[in-house]
Amino acid sequence: GEDVEQSLFLSVREGDSSVINCTYTDSSSTYLYWYKQEPGAGLQLLTYIFSNMDMKQDQRLTVLLNKKDKHLSLRIADTQTGDSAIYFCAEMSGGKLIFGQGTTLQVKP
Amino acid sequence: DTGVSQNPRHKITKRGQNVTFRCDPISEHNRLYWYRQTLGQGPEFLTYFQNEAQLEKSRLLSDRFSAERPKGSFSTLEIQRTEQGDSAMYLCASSTWDQRGDEAFFGQGTRLTVV
Repeated sequence: GEDVEQSLFLSVREGDSSVINCTYTDSSSTYLYWYKQEPGAGLQLLTYIFSNMDMKQDQRLTVLLNKKDKHLSLRIADTQTGDSAIYFCAEMSGGKLIFGQGTTLQVKP
Repeated sequence: DTGVSQNPRHKITKRGQNVTFRCDPISEHNRLYWYRQTLGQGPEFLTYFQNEAQLEKSRLLSDRFSAERPKGSFSTLEIQRTEQGDSAMYLCASSTWDQRGDEAFFGQGTRLTVV
């Protein structure tokens, strides 16, 4: 079945690295995504990774994919207070995006 | 192109009334998705289109819900005989779905409150 799981909450200090983890179930997923949502706003696409890659880096963001374990992570380097938001992992399964519940990232000054 | 556009941004309606939401996707995108999001949850898939064809509907989409994309461009989502449980944020997304990749971009959503 389709299921994406994330831990619900992460708290870090400003300047530290944040690592948000996600597991998914569909081994045939072609793309895996990270979205950011700030209060009252829509979802902002941060980055995505094709399933035949194991890493993708984009400025402060690093995505790691372990296809064998169906595990995806998002590392945010030098986390800033503006990074405080909910982060959603999603898999492309059967032509549609399936989302996790989201991880609330709290950045303390 | 300024991205995916949804209208209205907010809608308050009385229980039992019908409501219709509109989504204008990014112009060259051939796929269009509708999602529903309630507080503290991730977006739940409702339905999606490739061009004008509706390819899948979630079992969450009761017969009170209908979506159209008549010319393969904008889409409408109608909810008939609204219930309080329909209160949620309705999100639209579009993507290109080609060999370059599949970046799915979301609109700002329509927040529905049923009173």
